[in-house]
Parts: sequence; C-alpha cells; structure tokens
Amino acid sequence: DVKVTQSSRYLVKRTGEKVFLECVQDMDHENMFWYRQDPGLGLRLIYFSYDVKMKEKGDIPEGYSVSREKKERFSLILESASTNQTSMYLCASVDRGLYEQYFGPGTRLTVT
Amino acid sequence: DQQVKQNSPSLSVQEGRISILNCDYTNSMFDYFLWYKKYPAEGPTFLISISSIKDKNEDGRFTVFLNKSAKHLSLHIVPSQPGDSAVYFCAASPFSGNTPLVFGKGTRLSVIA
Repeated sequence: DVKVTQSSRYLVKRTGEKVFLECVQDMDHENMFWYRQDPGLGLRLIYFSYDVKMKEKGDIPEGYSVSREKKERFSLILESASTNQTSMYLCASVDRGLYEQYFGPGTRLTVT
Repeated sequence: DQQVKQNSPSLSVQEGRISILNCDYTNSMFDYFLWYKKYPAEGPTFLISISSIKDKNEDGRFTVFLNKSAKHLSLHIVPSQPGDSAVYFCAASPFSGNTPLVFGKGTRLSVIA
C-alpha cells in the first residue's frame, strides 16, 4: 500500500512566522504535489515536482515555496505566514505515467 | 476559468436510494477522469476512474458514466449508505502522469438514514 505521510495533522502559527510542512511518500514516486483545500474552492494546486530538485508553479504559488532534495520528500514553505493561508494542506504523489494520485492525511494550518 | 465544474455544492439522499453526482468539463483534451472521496480531516481517497475510450465503468456500488459529446460525467452510488456521506471531487487529466489533475470544487453528499 502506498503511504503518504505529512509531518503534522494540526498546526497553529503566528502571522509572520516561517512555516515548514513536510511530506514523505514511500513508493518511489517521481511526481509530488501540494494542494490547499478551502470550503467552496475545492483543491487548488500550489506547487508540484516531477523529480528531485525540480519544481513547477501551480495555480496559487504566491506566498509559498517548495523544496525537493530527496525523491521521497517534498516540503512546502510559507515564507511569512498570513491569516489568509489558514487552510487544509494536502500532499499527493503519483508514479510517472499514471493518473491516480495518492494523498496524505492533510495538515490543518491555522495562522493567528 | 474553471475547466472542471461540479455545479451542485451539496446533495442529500435517503439511505438505500441512488445518489447521482455530476461533473462537467470544458477541455476536450481531457482523456482520463477520476472521482475522489474525502471525509473531514482526512486526505482524499481514490474511488473510481474512467478512460475516454469508455462510456461506463462499474465497481461495486459505484458506477461512473462518461458522455464525451456533452463533456459530462456522473457518479452513481446505488444503494447509498450513511458511510457514503463525504465530499466527492471530480478530476480530469489531458494525458498520463506528468500533468497535474484538474479538480472540481466538490459536492458534499449527505446520506440520511
């Protein structure tokens, strides 16, 4: 079974803090993704990566950056957290050439 | 511009009846479609998919229908059960793997006992 894990289920941070969200997958997948989910807005793609050290902007990259130093790990960084970044953050991975993405359990981030 | 649209934000269905969730798309290059189910405080889980070369795919209580000419797909759940209450996301891809899925905004299904 594919397993995608995220470092925290719940996180509370203050405005202006730098926030790191970690995602690890155990199936040697090339492709990894970061989404945020907000009520009424569905899943919105922040960044994705097709390989180590590669990254591509998604639909809403502003205020975020990513890092992929190892194939199994994809990190999302909020450089200076703001209240409008309060959201559920979801990481996903998929093997190259396939469609079905596997999601982690999500991190509920609250920025106060 | 939304390429994948789920126009019903919510749906309520009696237990044992059929649930029909709808999804429309605009990009004729999409060739693979997926449905995901999401419970609160959990990540989405894959439910069922369909390739554009088919018009129907069935897996137990779940059936997905694809009407390419109308650019419309639907998910049928028969019979509906209280455990099916969740948010359902429709997703589409133009070709395999290296292009991110495009997700709809989701439909919240409530199955009432």
